[in-house]
Order: sequence, then structure tokens, then C-alpha cells
Amino acid sequence: AQSVTQPDIHITVSEGASLELRCNYSYGATPYLFWYVQSPGQGLQLLLKYFSGDTLVQGIKGFEAEFKRSQSSFNLRKPSVHWSDAAEYFCAVGFFTGTYKYIFGTGTRLKVLA
Amino acid sequence: DSGVTQTPKHLITATGQRVTLRCSPRSGDLSVYWYQQSLDQGLQFLIQYYNGEERAKGNILERFSAQQFPDLHSELNLSSLELGDSALYFCASSLNREREYGDSPLHFGNGTRLTVT
Repeated sequence: AQSVTQPDIHITVSEGASLELRCNYSYGATPYLFWYVQSPGQGLQLLLKYFSGDTLVQGIKGFEAEFKRSQSSFNLRKPSVHWSDAAEYFCAVGFFTGTYKYIFGTGTRLKVLA
Repeated sequence: DSGVTQTPKHLITATGQRVTLRCSPRSGDLSVYWYQQSLDQGLQFLIQYYNGEERAKGNILERFSAQQFPDLHSELNLSSLELGDSALYFCASSLNREREYGDSPLHFGNGTRLTVT
């Protein structure tokens, strides 16, 4: 069965430090991969996506993610975190089985220390 | 701004009541997905419509129903409300076609916060 795992429920980093949020998925082929960010009281905003091509993808707000097929991972990174990055981050996989379906991870809540 | 509009932003109602949540997808998007987000359950897929037809069902209760109209807006109807139905309800839209053609990310509205008292 398809699944998405975000092993870290909470992460705390200092402002200016680097960030890596982990995401592992289970799917028979290469799915469509997405990262979303949710600020309090807001909807989910698409940060970046991957389907094929270069395994390192750039997104908005200075985020990037790397797809590693051998590890079934799609980790999100940012070299220097800003206080405004404090939010919840969701990894998602999409796949087509007659219609597009999406599975979301349980999210990682990021806290940024000043 | 994702282009997906949800109304109302907030709803407070009593147990046993019925409410309707509305969603207008991004211009050109044919698919609408409904999600429920609560603290203990995370983001739960409820139901998907494509061009007016139901395409997939997730963890949607029998007390809940939805439809997508010819103008592609969608409504989620919640009836016989219980305290446990209090949650954020999101609508997301996508350009999905009937054949796979590439990645098709979801675009989310800002949600409707439902409080059942």
C-alpha cells in the first residue's frame, strides 16, 4: 500500500541554521512528489514538486528537495532558516490510477528560535 | 493566493445541525478534493470530484455528502453534526485530466474552520 512517512513530528532550529525535513514514501514506481507548507490558520501552499528529470528541485522561499530513488526519500532542505519559516510542512505523493490520488504525510512542525 | 476560494471562513453551530461548505476551484481546474484536518487525525481525504462526477472516496462519513456543479464549484454538506466533526475543512483543486499527463499538484483554499458546540 502507498504511504508517506515524515518521521519528525517537531523540529526546532535556530534562525540562520540549515534545515532538513525528512520524507520517505512507499510506492511501486516513482510517484509525483510534493512539499507543502501550512502557516497557522492558512491553507497548504505548494513549495515544490518532482516527477522526473533533475533529482534536485528548487522551490519557492529558498527551499529545495532531493529525490533519492534508492532510499525512497524526498527530503526538504533550506540552507539558512528565517523566523518566518516557522510552520508545518507536509510531504505528499501523487499517483494516477484512473484518477490522480494524493497521500499526505502527518506533517513536521518547525519552530525557529531567534 | 492559490486561486481556490472557500466560504465561509468560520462556522459555529450546534450538535445535530447541518451545514454547507462551499468551494470555488482555480479557473480551469476540473477536479476538486475535500480534506478534513483535525489535531488528532491529521489531513484526511474525504472525497474527489472531476468535472461534476464523483471519482474517489476516502474517509467520508455517511452523514457527509458533496457535489460538484456544472460551473465546477463544489459543496460539502455535513449533517447531524457531532462535537468530533469540529475541524478545518479544506478544498483543493487540480487541473487533472482523465489520462495521466504529468504531475498535477493540488492547490488548496484557506479552509473553513467548523466548530460544533
